[in-house]
Amino acid sequence: DGGITQSPKYLFRKEGQNVTLSCEQNLNHDAMYWYRQDPGQGLRLIYYSQIVNDFQKGDIAEGYSVSREKKESFPLTVTSAQKNPTAFYLCASSKTSGRWETQYFGPGTRLLVL
Amino acid sequence: GQQVMQIPQYQHVQEGEDFTTYCNSSTTLSNIQWYKQRPGGHPVFLIQLVKSGEVKKQKRLTFQFGEAKKNSSLHITATQTTDVGTYFCAASNNAGNMLTFGGGTRLMVKP
Repeated sequence: DGGITQSPKYLFRKEGQNVTLSCEQNLNHDAMYWYRQDPGQGLRLIYYSQIVNDFQKGDIAEGYSVSREKKESFPLTVTSAQKNPTAFYLCASSKTSGRWETQYFGPGTRLLVL
Repeated sequence: GQQVMQIPQYQHVQEGEDFTTYCNSSTTLSNIQWYKQRPGGHPVFLIQLVKSGEVKKQKRLTFQFGEAKKNSSLHITATQTTDVGTYFCAASNNAGNMLTFGGGTRLMVKP
């Protein structure tokens, strides 16, 4: 089955630790995205990648880092610099980048800072 | 970036009542997409609107793009408990190449 997988589903982090959230897609999509969703809130764009080995900051990139070494994978690292990391993190992909494309979302990772 | 405001933020309805959520922008939009997120789930694409005044229907759901392409609405006729979830619009203007998501409208349906 084609789709997007994210792991883990739940992640607990101690303050001061970096954690990496996984996102993998087998849809052969060029573009991938990371969003943050807080309770009762909309989706805010953290980073996006239009093609392998390229990525750009979204609206709330501070305290996060990404890499795009493979087309299928777009991991997100939440660094200790992120002041309030507790949130629901959603990864998405689209065939190409741009406003006309449908975005397909993974199941998400809930991050909780202890 | 592009700002899209969605209202209302929450809505409780009795099963069988109608429901409408609105997405508004101060600038002209190139296109708008609608997504639904079930409780505990992830957003799923519903539809895209591109033309001024466009109306599209999916069973009990009616989507409309305003004549000035600055607003859009999603109307559900005779809600059912399966309609529960958060409905998001996502839009871009002609200058931007990325979608911006609205804050969402959370729909709760009482059986």
